[in-house]
Amino acid sequence: KAGVTQTPRYLIKTRGQQVTLSCSPISGHRSVSWYQQTPGQGLQFLFEYFSETQRNKGNFPGRFSGRQFSNSRSEMNVSTLELGDSALYLCASSLSTGELFFGEGSRLTVL
Amino acid sequence: GQQLNQSPQSMFIQEGEDVSMNCTSSSIFNTWLWYKQDPGEGPVLLIALYKAGELTSNGRLTAQFGITRKDSFLNISASIPSDVGIYFCAGRYFPNRDDKIIFGKGTRLHILP
Repeated sequence: KAGVTQTPRYLIKTRGQQVTLSCSPISGHRSVSWYQQTPGQGLQFLFEYFSETQRNKGNFPGRFSGRQFSNSRSEMNVSTLELGDSALYLCASSLSTGELFFGEGSRLTVL
Repeated sequence: GQQLNQSPQSMFIQEGEDVSMNCTSSSIFNTWLWYKQDPGEGPVLLIALYKAGELTSNGRLTAQFGITRKDSFLNISASIPSDVGIYFCAGRYFPNRDDKIIFGKGTRLHILP
């Protein structure tokens, strides 16, 4: 059974640009959530989608957005990038039991 | 806001030793999850706990859901070199419309040669 797939794995952007990250959940998982991981703040919840609807949102500015498609694949977008947005962005898909299965992440560097 | 206090932040142990780490919260959860993360990888689920008092094992790993529902413990017995990594706890109140999973800051495990 294929795991959670995130693309791209690595990317470098400059301040002011925008970025789109993609996540394909485990087959059959309808919930996808996104997290930002930094050395200082640890793992922080961004948002969760279920059946194409945002079900929950963390405390991040509006520059961070996401969406989910009918095939459960999800994308997140960060606009007007700031240096502090450099982080590992992790996507997780989940079963109805609440267990999260993570992808390997997309490492974003903002210069 | 909700916080998870995970301790210790780091541990230096000898191979073969047992390891204990824990997470405490001011909020109650109905699900506790324990993860291990290796450098450059995403977290991997080790153990999931769903009931207060529950004790669950996965090989040399054992985790417990605290009776108060505000804490959880992870023990690793007879550590081996591949146990090196960062261990995270996560608590959530699932399913809940306001469900926002909270992660601990992690325990970094080092094994001395």
